[in-house]
Amino acid sequence: QQQVKQSPQSLIVQKGGISIINCAYENTAFDYFPWYQQFPGKGPALLIAIRPDVSEKKEGRFTISFNKSAKQFSLHIMDSQPGDSATYFCAAGDAGNMLTFGGGTRLMVKP
Amino acid sequence: DGGITQSPKYLFRKEGQNVTLSCEQNLNHDAMYWYRQDPGQGLRLIYYSQIVNDFQKGDIAEGYSVSREKKESFPLTVTSAQKNPTAFYLCASNTAQGPYGYTFGSGTRLTVV
Repeated sequence: QQQVKQSPQSLIVQKGGISIINCAYENTAFDYFPWYQQFPGKGPALLIAIRPDVSEKKEGRFTISFNKSAKQFSLHIMDSQPGDSATYFCAAGDAGNMLTFGGGTRLMVKP
Repeated sequence: DGGITQSPKYLFRKEGQNVTLSCEQNLNHDAMYWYRQDPGQGLRLIYYSQIVNDFQKGDIAEGYSVSREKKESFPLTVTSAQKNPTAFYLCASNTAQGPYGYTFGSGTRLTVV
C-alpha cells in the first residue's frame, strides 16, 4: 500500500519558471513532511521540511504548501534554474523514526 | 564531519556471487536502513535496524541479508538468490527520536556482469 503518492513522475520547466510537485498522504498520524533532492549518482539530501502546525514554509526559492484537511502538500520552486534539475522525493513521518517516501519526480529545467 | 560512508561507489558482481556493500556512520544514530533504487524509480526499503543486533525485513528483503553487530555499521549482502541485483543501493541512518534526522549515504552502484 503506497501511503504517499507523488505527482508528476517527471516535469520539464523553462528557466525562470515555477516548478510544482504534489504529494498526498493517507495516514493521519503523519506529522512531519520533508522534501529530499537527489542529483544523479548521489544520495538524497534534505531540502526543506514542514510540520502540520503551519500551512506554508519558505526557504529561499523553495516553498512547501501544506493542506491538512486535504492531506496534501506540495513543493514550489520559484525562478527554477538548470541547477535545480534533479529528482525530488516527498516523504512523511510519524512518531516513529522511519520515513515513508513518495515515488519521486524527475525535474528538468531547460535553459 | 559526521556522515554516512558507503563503499565501494561502484561494484561489479558475477553471476552466482555474493557481494557485500558497506555502510558506516559516525552520527551516533540508532537506526539504519537500506534502500534499493532502480533507474527512474523511487526508493524501496530492503532492511532496517533500530538497534544493535536486531533488524527487520522491509518490502523487498528476498535475496538480501544484513547484520548489525556495531552501532556504526550496517553491511548489506546481496546473495546469489537475488536474481536482478543491478541497481543503486542507498544506506540511511536516523536517530531514535522521531524521523527528523534522516541522512543518506552517497550510494553504491551494483552491476551484474
